Parts: sequence; structure tokens; C-alpha cells
Amino acid sequence: DTGVSQNPRHKITKRGQNVTFRCDPISEHNRLYWYRQTLGQGPEFLTYFQNEAQLEKSRLLSDRFSAERPKGSFSTLEIQRTEQGDSAMYLCASSPDIAGNTIYFGEGSWLTVV
Amino acid sequence: GNSVTQMEGPVTLSEEAFLTINCTYTATGYPSLFWYVQYPGEGLQLLLKATKADDKGSNKGFEATYRKETTSFHLEKGSVQVSDSAVYFCAYTGTASKLTFGTGTRLQVTL
Repeated sequence: DTGVSQNPRHKITKRGQNVTFRCDPISEHNRLYWYRQTLGQGPEFLTYFQNEAQLEKSRLLSDRFSAERPKGSFSTLEIQRTEQGDSAMYLCASSPDIAGNTIYFGEGSWLTVV
Repeated sequence: GNSVTQMEGPVTLSEEAFLTINCTYTATGYPSLFWYVQYPGEGLQLLLKATKADDKGSNKGFEATYRKETTSFHLEKGSVQVSDSAVYFCAYTGTASKLTFGTGTRLQVTL
């Protein structure tokens, strides 16, 4: 088991460009989560998937953000027309479909918008 | 609304000192409670958890007890090491096991 894998680990982009992050969860984990963390703050929930179905989205997830998990395995998070305020670490996590079970995090993808 | 409140940092301790990081939560029902640790430039690692009242989670010398009556889950360690320097996050799970985090407490341990 290699854990939750995210890439790229670091991305610097110019304002207005689109970026995409990929997450490979732990195999056989039905649930996949995306969080955003800014400096000095705790992670904030963005969205989560149960298999391929996106079941909840936070109000933080503006129209410029879209997440997919087409085959219920890996997931992508795309940010269109990036803004400087999008600069943050984007964390992916996964867990089995068992209430109260541990959620395992990847090492995150750092986004810097210049 | 639902939330987690942690003591503000940074907490600066000498090696071998006793550590307490306070955490209280506001949530309905009986959430599971967690402490995660984040080392510089890394993602979150689960440190310990407790799933019901009066449970004690423990790992690597750290402990926390789920106190339903005070809605608290304070983190303790009897003797900290320099390698424990990190940011510690208290969290609970609500619907769909979605985690809600506190703002984190930075711990700095010096020789």
C-alpha cells in the first residue's frame, strides 16, 4: 500500500491560467476528499466522492473549480482562470466506506498563482 | 455551527517537558475525534483517534481522551522531543466522515 498519491507536488502558474491536480487514493477506498489549506490555517473541506459520485461540495468550491472521479478510482481537481487567492495547498484524502474510519491524507499539491 | 477550537500557538517547550494542547468541539451527535500532525512541507498524518466517549487514543507517547461531558479532546505527552516539533490539528468527523479541523497549534521543542 503506497498511500494517497498527489501530483504535481508543486505548481507555479500565472494568474488566469488553468491548473489540474491529480489524486490517486489508497486502493479500494470508496471515499475520496479534497481539502484546501492556506498558511496558518487548518484544512477546509472542498468536496467528496463516494466511488464516482460527487456527493457534496462546499460553498468554497466556486464555479471555477471542478472535480471529477470518472471511474471511482483516481480524481482530478481543476481550477480555471486561477486567481492569486487560489494559492494554497490542495490536499486529497481517502477512506473506506465505514463510519468513523480514519481518513488518510496525501502530501498535498502546493499551488502558487503569480 | 459545528466547529473545533484549539489553543493558539506557538507552544514553545524545552525537551522532556510535559505537553498539553487543548481542544474543544461543538458538534451534534457522537462524532469521532482525531489528532493529526503536520511536519513542515508535508501533508497530514494521523496521530491518534477516539470513536466514542471515554475512549483514550494513544500513539508515540501522545494521548487524548474523548470527554463527552466537556466536549474536549486535549492532547498530552509526558516528555516531548525536538522531533515532535510540528503543527497539531484537532478534528472531528460529522456526516459522511467529513473532517472539520481546528486552526492548528504549532509546537516548538528546543534543547
